[in-house]
Amino acid sequence: AQSVTQPDIHITVSEGASLELRCNYSYGATPYLFWYVQSPGQGLQLLLKYFSGDTLVQGIKGFEAEFKRSQSSFNLRKPSVHWSDAAEYFCAVGPYGTDKLIFGTGTRLQVFP
Amino acid sequence: DAGVIQSPRHEVTEMGQEVTLRCKPISGHNSLFWYRQTMMRGLELLIYFNNNVPIDDSGMPEDRFSAKMPNASFSTLKIQPSEPRDSAVYFCASSLGGDEIPYGYTFGSGTRLTVV
Repeated sequence: AQSVTQPDIHITVSEGASLELRCNYSYGATPYLFWYVQSPGQGLQLLLKYFSGDTLVQGIKGFEAEFKRSQSSFNLRKPSVHWSDAAEYFCAVGPYGTDKLIFGTGTRLQVFP
Repeated sequence: DAGVIQSPRHEVTEMGQEVTLRCKPISGHNSLFWYRQTMMRGLELLIYFNNNVPIDDSGMPEDRFSAKMPNASFSTLKIQPSEPRDSAVYFCASSLGGDEIPYGYTFGSGTRLTVV
């Protein structure tokens, strides 16, 4: 069965520091992968997605993610975090053959000034 | 486009009352999803429509929950009777995707339901 694991429940970083949020998936074929962000009191917003091709994907708000098939990972990165990036981040996988996404449990990011 | 529109944003109701949540998907999107989010259980898929037809309702908690999509521009999620444990944020999302490729969702802002 397909699944998504976000090993870090809560991460704290200082403003200006680099960030990497981890995501591991379980799926038998090449998946479609997504990262979403949820600010407090808001819905989830799509940051970026990977379908095929270049394994380094650029998204909005300065985020990028790298697909590594050998590690079954799709980690989200940002070189310099801003206080406004404090939010919850969800990784999701979309198996081929369905329109349904499987979400991870989320990672809450806290940013200190 | 105004995005996915949900109403109301907040709903407070008494236990036993009927609650109806509404969703207008993005025009042209042919898939619609209802999710529930709580601290304890995270994000749960309740039901999924494609071309107005329910495809997967395995996440609907029990018979008290029902969802309809009478046309491509409107969906409702109804809880009758409501219970305190139904308190959560309910999200609607829509997608351009069809049967094969998941294009990713656009989420609404959610309805925060409190049952007292």
